[in-house]
Amino acid sequence: AQKVTQAQTEISVVEKEDVTLDCVYETRDTTYYLFWYKQPPSGELVFLIRRNSFDEQNEISGRYSWNFQKSTSSFNFTITASQVVDSAVYFCALSGKETSGSRLTFGEGTQLTVNP
Amino acid sequence: KAGVTQTPRYLIKTRGQQVTLSCSPISGHRSVSWYQQTPGQGLQFLFEYFSETQRNKGNFPGRFSGRQFSNSRSEMNVSTLELGDSALYLCASTTDGLPLETQYFGPGTRLLVL
Repeated sequence: AQKVTQAQTEISVVEKEDVTLDCVYETRDTTYYLFWYKQPPSGELVFLIRRNSFDEQNEISGRYSWNFQKSTSSFNFTITASQVVDSAVYFCALSGKETSGSRLTFGEGTQLTVNP
Repeated sequence: KAGVTQTPRYLIKTRGQQVTLSCSPISGHRSVSWYQQTPGQGLQFLFEYFSETQRNKGNFPGRFSGRQFSNSRSEMNVSTLELGDSALYLCASTTDGLPLETQYFGPGTRLLVL
């Protein structure tokens, strides 16, 4: 079975602070894919990033960065200099090539509130 | 390209009724997946359709069903609605439904069962 854990239910920061959202996963697949999605109040899940299990390079995209560590089964997401528009629920998700196909297993989500 | 569209956006039904939700994938995408989101259970996979065939199914009762048409548009149906079916139903599409592909989600249909 696959599992994704986002231990932080809610995080509240003040604008311009850096914030890291944690994601820990479990899978028996040797090839798997990790995703982060953002869900604003409108409800739509907005894709942010995808990572393959065989590529542990960290990635930076503007104010967003991701740290993938296979040794600790973690795929953490950092927002630098947070802004009010970053307020949303963020989901980490996993799909496994061998066992789950395209089915995504989601974490519980982290509600991020950025206060002005 | 237009994104994934879902209709209707909001729906109110009463217990015992049935409901049909519709999803139009991104042009060229052949795989459509459905997810249910509730405060208690989070985001859960319902099923996936590819080339008009159900290819993957989550752990939901038989009251939940779906289908896909030749133009890749998909519908899901919930019969004999229960209060617990109140949720946001999200549809996602990919080109071929492979694990490595990114799923692009629609805005969802908010269903309220009274």
